Amino acid sequence: KNQVEQSPQSLIILEGKNCTLQCNYTVSPFSNLRWYKQDTGRGPVSLTIMTFSENTKSNGRYTATLDADTKQSSLHITASQLSDSASYICVVSPNSGGYQKVTFGIGTKLQVIP
Amino acid sequence: KAGVTQTPRYLIKTRGQQVTLSCSPISGHRSVSWYQQTPGQGLQFLFEYFSETQRNKGNFPGRFSGRQFSNSRSEMNVSTLELGDSALYLCASSLAGTFTDTQYFGPGTRLTVL
Repeated sequence: KNQVEQSPQSLIILEGKNCTLQCNYTVSPFSNLRWYKQDTGRGPVSLTIMTFSENTKSNGRYTATLDADTKQSSLHITASQLSDSASYICVVSPNSGGYQKVTFGIGTKLQVIP
Repeated sequence: KAGVTQTPRYLIKTRGQQVTLSCSPISGHRSVSWYQQTPGQGLQFLFEYFSETQRNKGNFPGRFSGRQFSNSRSEMNVSTLELGDSALYLCASSLAGTFTDTQYFGPGTRLTVL
C-alpha cells in the first residue's frame, strides 16, 4: 500500500526562525510530489510541485527538496512569519492511474509564535 | 478570477438524514474532485468528475455519490448519515485533472452529524 508519512506531527517555532518539515513516501513508480499549505478553516493551497527528476523547488521563503533515491522530501521555511502558522501537507502522485492513486500525508501542524 | 466556492460552509445533521453539498469550480476547469478530511485520516479521495462523467472513485461506500452538471458545477450527496461522516468535505478543481495540473481547493463544507 502506498504511504506518505510526515514528521513532526506538530511544531512550534519563534517568529523569524527557520524550520524543516519532513515527508517520507513509498509511492513507486512516482510522478510528482507536492507540498500544500492549509490555513485553519480553509482549503489547501499548492506551494510547490516537483517531478522525480527535480531535487529542489522554491516559492518565496518556502524551499522543497526531493531525494528520489531515499524517497524523502523536505520543506524548508526561512525567516518564519506568523502567517506561516498552518498545516503543511505532502502529496505524492504515482505515474499512472487516476486521482484515487494520489496519496496524502496527514500533515504537519506548524505554529509560529511571536 | 473567482476561486472554487462551496456551499454551505457549515452543516449540522442527525444520523439517518441525507445531505447535498455543492461545489462551483474555477471558470474553465472541467475536473472536479471531492475529498473527505478528518484529523486522524488526512484527505481521503472520494471521486472525480470530468465533463459530467465520474472518472475516478475512491474507497467509500455507495452512500456517497456525486454528479457534475454541464457547467462543471458539482454536487456530492451522502445518504443515511452516520456519526463517522462528520468531517470537512473539500472539493478541488483543475483544468484537465491530470497529475501535473494544479488542483485548486475550495474552503470546504464542515459537516457535523449528531
